[in-house]
Amino acid sequence: QKEVEQNSGPLSVPEGAIASLNCTYSDRGSQSFFWYRQYSGKSPELIMSIYSNGDKEDGRFTAQLNKASQYVSLLIRDSQPSDSATYLCAVLFSGGYNKLIFGAGTRLAVHP
Amino acid sequence: DGGITQSPKYLFRKEGQNVTLSCEQNLNHDAMYWYRQDPGQGLRLIYYSQIVNDFQKGDIAEGYSVSREKKESFPLTVTSAQKNPTAFYLCASSIIIGTASYEQYFGPGTRLTVT
Repeated sequence: QKEVEQNSGPLSVPEGAIASLNCTYSDRGSQSFFWYRQYSGKSPELIMSIYSNGDKEDGRFTAQLNKASQYVSLLIRDSQPSDSATYLCAVLFSGGYNKLIFGAGTRLAVHP
Repeated sequence: DGGITQSPKYLFRKEGQNVTLSCEQNLNHDAMYWYRQDPGQGLRLIYYSQIVNDFQKGDIAEGYSVSREKKESFPLTVTSAQKNPTAFYLCASSIIIGTASYEQYFGPGTRLTVT
């Protein structure tokens, strides 16, 4: 079992729709979770962090965390073509060293 | 402007040569990290450092070396012992509060090609 799993996609949604990206993780002790956006050929850009169960909203983005189910998700409302990118889920390893474990990413395509 | 810079953006080397990738940050972050990204894979940690003159191996440290002589700088050397050095190399930094790190921010990356 991979430590952080994401569906590779592509996830294709029409412009204006809600895109839902999911991530599961295996480290039960993890307390910190992050979503990064990565455009092709570019470095990852942090878009959301979440530390507590529940929802956290920032503009069009909502991160959801359920530690009991070891599940974290990212919702993008009113999706735009500029949101087309690969979204990386990252989990801070609980065993020390402040190591981020990354999923392989989900490719999102928003079509006009 | 505060941020992380990496140079060069693209680097081409012949097999058997050592090469050093630069990473500098002016965010006053304590911790710095090096990751490697291969096509279709998540980022993998090579080395990290939480304080000057101290660093630890990550998951794939073999064939790499680092130094941390200044808080702002964390160069990575890819040695000839690294079997598959062609990859996208990313440097990141974060603050440390107590023993916990927070959000990691990435530089623009260096794309290394070894032939």
